[in-house]
Amino acid sequence: DSGVTQTPKHLITATGQRVTLRCSPRSGDLSVYWYQQSLDQGLQFLIQYYNGEERAKGNILERFSAQQFPDLHSELNLSSLELGDSALYFCASSRTGGAGAVGEAFFGQGTRLTVV
Amino acid sequence: AQTVTQSQPEMSVQEAETVTLSCTYDTSESDYYLFWYKQPPSRQMILVIRQEAYKQQNATENRFSVNFQKAAKSFSLKISDSQLGDAAMYFCAYRLIQGAQKLVFGQGTRLTINP
Repeated sequence: DSGVTQTPKHLITATGQRVTLRCSPRSGDLSVYWYQQSLDQGLQFLIQYYNGEERAKGNILERFSAQQFPDLHSELNLSSLELGDSALYFCASSRTGGAGAVGEAFFGQGTRLTVV
Repeated sequence: AQTVTQSQPEMSVQEAETVTLSCTYDTSESDYYLFWYKQPPSRQMILVIRQEAYKQQNATENRFSVNFQKAAKSFSLKISDSQLGDAAMYFCAYRLIQGAQKLVFGQGTRLTINP
């Protein structure tokens, strides 16, 4: 058990819908990262939050957004869903997020999103 | 931009034998970390081993060791005495020390252990 909790584990929804994925980082971790794992794209970095603020952005679609709350949990919102959004979405957390941070990222078990 | 390449989509090895998974990366930076992550059928991403680029000594963790060649930008993983539980997807990943802490992953190598 990595200590990172993601809910739900599975999600099936229709095209055009909106879903919210939730992540609770390990106790004490300030940074949260979201990754998308699809069959043809491998693991792709979406976005990082550090202590409530956006720190880095990857190839995240405009239809996707995220936030980190004061209790440090994070949510990834996916809207106007398309078939191609079907993937495994991982959240990871690390101890620090600043320059020179040594802590490796610990991953949650992922949310399997299926868009039908 | 940094890229990570794993040229072996699939590998197989007999139980108790040794197998080496290859990884190359491209970066213009000098300070970074390299990782190997394991993803078993449970889908959990598990950190196997980490190497700091400024360290010349190759990292080892029990049966897992790496061969880090900084000049060649190569980072291979050796698994000794392979066990059935080692069967998984293995991902090589890169991360800067300064600046963005995102992980850049290779496409993965599926490792099969033959009993």
